[in-house]
Amino acid sequence: DAKTTQPTSMDCAEGRAANLPCNHSTISGNEYVYWYRQIHSQGPQYIIHGLKNNETNEMASLIITEDRKSSTLILPHATLRDTAVYYCIVRVAGGGADGLTFGKGTHLIIQP
Amino acid sequence: EPEVTQTPSHQVTQMGQEVILRCVPISNHLYFYWYRQILGQKVEFLVSFYNNEISEKSEIFDDQFSVERPDGSNFTLKIRSTKLEDSAMYFCASISNRLGNSPLHFGNGTRLTVT
Repeated sequence: DAKTTQPTSMDCAEGRAANLPCNHSTISGNEYVYWYRQIHSQGPQYIIHGLKNNETNEMASLIITEDRKSSTLILPHATLRDTAVYYCIVRVAGGGADGLTFGKGTHLIIQP
Repeated sequence: EPEVTQTPSHQVTQMGQEVILRCVPISNHLYFYWYRQILGQKVEFLVSFYNNEISEKSEIFDDQFSVERPDGSNFTLKIRSTKLEDSAMYFCASISNRLGNSPLHFGNGTRLTVT
């Protein structure tokens, strides 16, 4: 699976949109971009994923650049409960039995 | 919404003892995983399991570890003789299929403390 690069940490004011960037310049055509988050040692929580189109669900939006080399996770109205480590992971379609490879992620801190 | 459940939430054991960590994956899922996270470190893959056998395992998953699906609902991780360095959070995950567009769903983990 392709590697990803994320900032180590970010701050965002409560109520504002949090935009978390991710670079995946070596992504291949059959790899999806997944986002998970982990709140204080709880289990990783699935947020959203996409292949090449932008995606939106009740939690977030995912914007993938046209060349697919980077993406941005957007939390539209961040709350204090969104403080967590956010992981951007690329994963091959067809799986690979090892599921997901986690990096260090971005520690997002929502400021009151 | 269906979820992966893990028990116990916290397990304390003495070095050299056997422990069994239990997981109930989401009911229609077919692929099961164990991950671990040592305090302050990354989430690491241990093993994947499908059709009653191990699909893949990492270097961490040595002979001290084993997995089993003893019935239609439970998925267990056994550590035969625990070491201090086995202290970690252990997460179970499941997925309905291995196509790239299916997300893994994780439980909230078991905190294992080896003393």
